Amino acid sequence: NAGVTQTPKFRVLKTGQSMTLLCAQDMNHEYMYWYRQDPGMGLRLIHYSVGEGTTAKGEVPDGYNVSRLKKQNFLLGLESAAPSQTSVYFCASSYPGTGGNGYTFGSGTRLTVV
Amino acid sequence: AQKITQTQPGMFVQEKEAVTLDCTYDTSDQSYGLFWYKQPSSGEMIFLIYQGSYDEQNATEGRYSLNFQKARKSANLVISASQLGDSAMYFCAMRERTLAQKLVFGQGTRLTINP
Repeated sequence: NAGVTQTPKFRVLKTGQSMTLLCAQDMNHEYMYWYRQDPGMGLRLIHYSVGEGTTAKGEVPDGYNVSRLKKQNFLLGLESAAPSQTSVYFCASSYPGTGGNGYTFGSGTRLTVV
Repeated sequence: AQKITQTQPGMFVQEKEAVTLDCTYDTSDQSYGLFWYKQPSSGEMIFLIYQGSYDEQNATEGRYSLNFQKARKSANLVISASQLGDSAMYFCAMRERTLAQKLVFGQGTRLTINP
């Protein structure tokens, strides 16, 4: 059981380049989330999805787009990368009414924009 | 909007001592959930403990316990008999009472256990 898989794990981009981060889950979870982690700021929500074909903005959505064409995949896109997007990105998934250990996190993607 | 505050950027504790990591929260909801996660240097997020707002007993999981004081809106994590492997970042989080049940995180506390 793989849980939540994020690819790639590391990436270096030049300012202005684009890229897509892939999140895949095999637990049939309805809800999926993209967070970014920056020093001293904890994890902040970028975008989220409550089901296939749905997406919504989180706390820090500017500069990112997402898509959830299939229930198991949640893609995060950077159209024109900026140094301010240097961060560690986490994908997570959950199911309705969850508590306790109901959230599953990926292992993270470390992105550096130079 | 919900908010989580962790006021201790760093904590240093001697091995085998107990340690308390502070977490306060702000919400107008009556029903909510509080979580603690551990993030070791390898980077993964490890679930530690959960407390529901209607739970009458403080949650416990092995060496971890959650000191839940609802009136004070605090949810401190207590680690008993600390071990070197407890050195990590610790995040407090709250589940929003919305359809998407988003997690809102605090800034984190870096705990260092000294031998």
